[in-house]
Amino acid sequence: NAGVTQTPKFQVLKTGQSMTLQCAQDMNHNSMYWYRQDPGMGLRLIYYSASEGTTDKGEVPNGYNVSRLNKREFSLRLESAAPSQTSVYFCASSITQGLSDTQYFGPGTRLTVL
Amino acid sequence: QKEVEQNSGPLSVPEGAIASLNCTYSDRVSQSFFWYRQYSGKSPELIMSIYSNGDKEDGRFTAQLNKASQYVSLLIRDSQPSDSATYLCAVRTGRRALTFGSGTRLQVQP
Repeated sequence: NAGVTQTPKFQVLKTGQSMTLQCAQDMNHNSMYWYRQDPGMGLRLIYYSASEGTTDKGEVPNGYNVSRLNKREFSLRLESAAPSQTSVYFCASSITQGLSDTQYFGPGTRLTVL
Repeated sequence: QKEVEQNSGPLSVPEGAIASLNCTYSDRVSQSFFWYRQYSGKSPELIMSIYSNGDKEDGRFTAQLNKASQYVSLLIRDSQPSDSATYLCAVRTGRRALTFGSGTRLQVQP
């Protein structure tokens, strides 16, 4: 099993360009998440999807859109990139059972916006 | 007030010592608490979860939860240089997604 995979691993954009970050999981998890991580800020939730066909905003959704394409795939789109979106982006998936909620993270995408 | 607070560190301990990492949270009805470890340049990985007051031990790791004080901690016994990483505290409240603290960087000196 590959777990959670993300593409691309690195990306450099110019201000105003658009791009889509791809994420896929092969663990049959219901929930998927997109986080960004900036120095000293920890992980901040951008969007999440509790199940196929549903998406919800997290702490920092502005400037992003998401698509839960199917149970396996959850993509994050930047329509018009800004330097403030320079960050490391992590996708995660989990299966929630009662109080348990173990999240499995992908390797991350390092995005630089010039 | 941030929902989940951690001292950013770095926390420096000698090899073989006990490292104590602390986390406070603001929502009294939070139910699930997690510690993730993140090596530099890598993704976070879960090392401990705790749901009820008291201690939970797993090998060299012990998680402690005090809901009255809204406090959760992680103890690492016999610290090794390989334990040097950033430790993220995460809290789940109801059906909401996890909220992460900003992490504490631990340095274990050989």
